[in-house]
Amino acid sequence: KAGVTQTPRYLIKTRGQQVTLSCSPISGHRSVSWYQQTPGQGLQFLFEYFSETQRNKGNFPGRFSGRQFSNSRSEMNVSTLELGDSALYLCASRRGSDTGELFFGEGSRLTVL
Amino acid sequence: TQLLEQSPQFLSIQEGENLTVYCNSSSVFSSLQWYRQEPGEGPVLLVTVVTGGEVKKLKRLTFQFGDARKDSSLHITAAQPGDTGLYLCAGPPFNDYKLSFGAGTTVTVRA
Repeated sequence: KAGVTQTPRYLIKTRGQQVTLSCSPISGHRSVSWYQQTPGQGLQFLFEYFSETQRNKGNFPGRFSGRQFSNSRSEMNVSTLELGDSALYLCASRRGSDTGELFFGEGSRLTVL
Repeated sequence: TQLLEQSPQFLSIQEGENLTVYCNSSSVFSSLQWYRQEPGEGPVLLVTVVTGGEVKKLKRLTFQFGDARKDSSLHITAAQPGDTGLYLCAGPPFNDYKLSFGAGTTVTVRA
């Protein structure tokens, strides 16, 4: 079956711009989580959506937001980009709302200049 | 501060050698998962350990969950270049469902 698909894979933005990243989970998976990965901080949890509702949110500023659609696809948005937002953004899906296995996409590599 | 501390941060060894990666916390975890991430890819789950003291083997990889469920280790026997990657431990603290990740251990196995 198709895995988790993230688009775009790579993008370059400048400070002050905004960006929207997309994630299509594995068919049948209703939970989608987003993580930011940087060399210094590792994987940092952004938020998790389950059945279109945000279940949990990490310690990121309000510039980071997300949503989930009725087909379980999810988007995350970062507004007023800062240099420090440069990172690999990973999306992961799982079937239920418990602590089952996370299936990760390949990520969206964001570079902010 | 990371809820899960991994050590070492980097490990470079020769093919055929053994290695151990550690994952420690002051908190109790319901379970711990180990993931491996290769360059340009997302992390892939290797194993989940659930019971304190549990030992799981996956070919040359041995995973152990501490008796107190606060720590775990990953041991690779006779490492091969294909074992190269970033190894991440992750788990939900007790009474939580949100996964916390360690910072990871970058393993390089030289041919």
